[in-house]
Amino acid sequence: DTGVSQDPRHKITKRGQNVTFRCDPISEHNRLYWYRQTLGQGPEFLTYFQNEAQLEKSRLLSDRFSAERPKGSFSTLEIQRTEQGDSAMYLCASSDGLVGYEQYFGPGTRLTVT
Amino acid sequence: GQNIDQPTEMTATEGAIVQINCTYQTSGFNGLFWYQQHAGEAPTFLSYNVLDGLEEKGRFSSFLSRSKGYSYLLLKELQMKDSASYLCAVRDRGGYSTLTFGKGTMLLVSP
Repeated sequence: DTGVSQDPRHKITKRGQNVTFRCDPISEHNRLYWYRQTLGQGPEFLTYFQNEAQLEKSRLLSDRFSAERPKGSFSTLEIQRTEQGDSAMYLCASSDGLVGYEQYFGPGTRLTVT
Repeated sequence: GQNIDQPTEMTATEGAIVQINCTYQTSGFNGLFWYQQHAGEAPTFLSYNVLDGLEEKGRFSSFLSRSKGYSYLLLKELQMKDSASYLCAVRDRGGYSTLTFGKGTMLLVSP
């Protein structure tokens, strides 16, 4: 069990560019979550996958955001035409929906849009 | 929807006991979580309550009263490494187990 990993850890991009983040959950976990966290705030839910199916999306996830989990393993979160307001920490978490209730978080990807 | 309130900051002294409160108003409730988050790091799980009462786990305990929409996290024998943000989160009754987090309480432990 190597934990949840995310790549890259840091990303600096110019406004208007597209960025993609990757999350590798704990291998036996079928549930995967994306959250966004800004300074001084708690994580805010963005979207949820059970296996490869995207079952829930927050209203925070505008049409510039898209997430995939093509084979029910790793997931990607893409932001198109980035805006300065997208600057935040993007956290991925996974859980074993069959047994556990705890969500295990990855280290996050810190996005800075200049 | 969910509304979760917790104090913004607290200070305490090494070796002391501190209680961090969390109140919530939810349209559905299926458990309350406490997470610890050090600056620049990911949240790590501390405790989970779904029934009323106290759950004890070493130096950390968590209490829940569903009728009052209230929880607290109790930290005993404080250590400097306990300086962190403590996040209260509520899971809704839906089947997806998504969490709604409070803004977090920044705890500063001084010598």
